[in-house]
Amino acid sequence: GQQVMQIPQYQHVQEGEDFTTYCNSSTTLSNIQWYKQRPGGHPVFLIQLVKSGEVKKQKRLTFQFGEAKKNSSLHITATQTTDVGTYFCAGPESNYQLIWGAGTKLIIKP
Amino acid sequence: DVKVTQSSRYLVKRTGEKVFLECVQDMDHENMFWYRQDPGLGLRLIYFSYDVKMKEKGDIPEGYSVSREKKERFSLILESASTNQTSMYLCASSPPVGGTSILFFGSGTQLSVL
Repeated sequence: GQQVMQIPQYQHVQEGEDFTTYCNSSTTLSNIQWYKQRPGGHPVFLIQLVKSGEVKKQKRLTFQFGEAKKNSSLHITATQTTDVGTYFCAGPESNYQLIWGAGTKLIIKP
Repeated sequence: DVKVTQSSRYLVKRTGEKVFLECVQDMDHENMFWYRQDPGLGLRLIYFSYDVKMKEKGDIPEGYSVSREKKERFSLILESASTNQTSMYLCASSPPVGGTSILFFGSGTQLSVL
């Protein structure tokens, strides 16, 4: 069946370093969504990408959707403690269902 | 702002008990979802509903049932709780905007089955 693989599972960075998480789908996606879950919190929608090759920025966050619409990435420049959490990608499996990546946990080293 | 409210933040139940998890949304969304979240497994869909009294199985419906008698309320029922149902349960809702649309999540219920 359709799968969305997300790597890495964890990333430890020093505050101020960059962070990147990658998603790869086994099939072409009509769109991809990104969510952030703070420790102890619930997933919160960040952004949706729809177009092939699309790049969107939110302050220090840069989101990309691949040309083939099968992969996506989230890059955070100069991480801050407020960036800590788990980042999920999700793509549509049907009109109602999303298929989720397993998430990448961003950990800031003390 | 969309508000999705789950009735309990933490719940402890005994094996074999019938468990009700309640979820209410205040934005008149058609679609509602129940997920469970376990470390390393991401979010797995249990059931969803796209209209009152309508329900569809997700990826892991075994051991669960749902009820949607009113548009704003979606209940998850564990008929006979088992220890492998210890998990974080997340409710979500979304409007019916031409296909898969953005999910708004509740704060979650951490269920422990002893």
